[in-house]
Amino acid sequence: QVQLQESGPGLVKPSETLSLNCTVSGASVNSGTYYWNWIRQPPGKALEWIGSVYYGGSTNYIPSLKSRVKILIDPSKNQFSLSLSSVTAADTAVYYCANDPGYALYYWGQGILVSVSS
Amino acid sequence: SSELTQDPTVSVALGQTVRITCQGDSLRTYHVNWFQQKPGQTPLLVIYGKSHRPSGIPDRFSGSTSGNTASLTITGAQAEDEADYYCNSRDSSGNHNYVFGTGTKVTVL
Repeated sequence: QVQLQESGPGLVKPSETLSLNCTVSGASVNSGTYYWNWIRQPPGKALEWIGSVYYGGSTNYIPSLKSRVKILIDPSKNQFSLSLSSVTAADTAVYYCANDPGYALYYWGQGILVSVSS
Repeated sequence: SSELTQDPTVSVALGQTVRITCQGDSLRTYHVNWFQQKPGQTPLLVIYGKSHRPSGIPDRFSGSTSGNTASLTITGAQAEDEADYYCNSRDSSGNHNYVFGTGTKVTVL
């Protein structure tokens, strides 16, 4: 079974860059078996898919965040990462990482709450 | 990107059947997945593809699609089924992007 674990700071200042990592066990991020995804959920609101990365580094992003987001894959650490620049309070959310074998967001991390505040 | 629209709230009597719907143009082309989320918990995949259930998901959960509308049916709802439910599918960009529905709060009476 694939397991994922998010990590990173829980508090980010406005206008700065939010950076999170997702550590994967039970699968290789570079195997080509899965797409690796980030999803977020603002408090009390719906889930929002942010983007994904595939082995070799190809990415897809939600259009509304495309100018501010970058998802990278790090095979040496079996991790993938999320960077979101120029954050505002609207980026406060629980951020989840998840894998996708090509047909569904199957296994998810437990999520990490990131607050944007000065 | 596409939008997936769900009714905000649905209620069902214990042991009865409830259907949760999801509407969106992309559902004419792409399959839909359904997630259950209880307060403070991670979303749980309950249905993927053409009504496939991951291991451990009870068979009272089933899915179907007709045209631009997908449905998640809970046959014989239990108290533990009270949760938020989200549909999820590809958007219409053709770029392997996902989109989530607006979510439905299911209350078991």
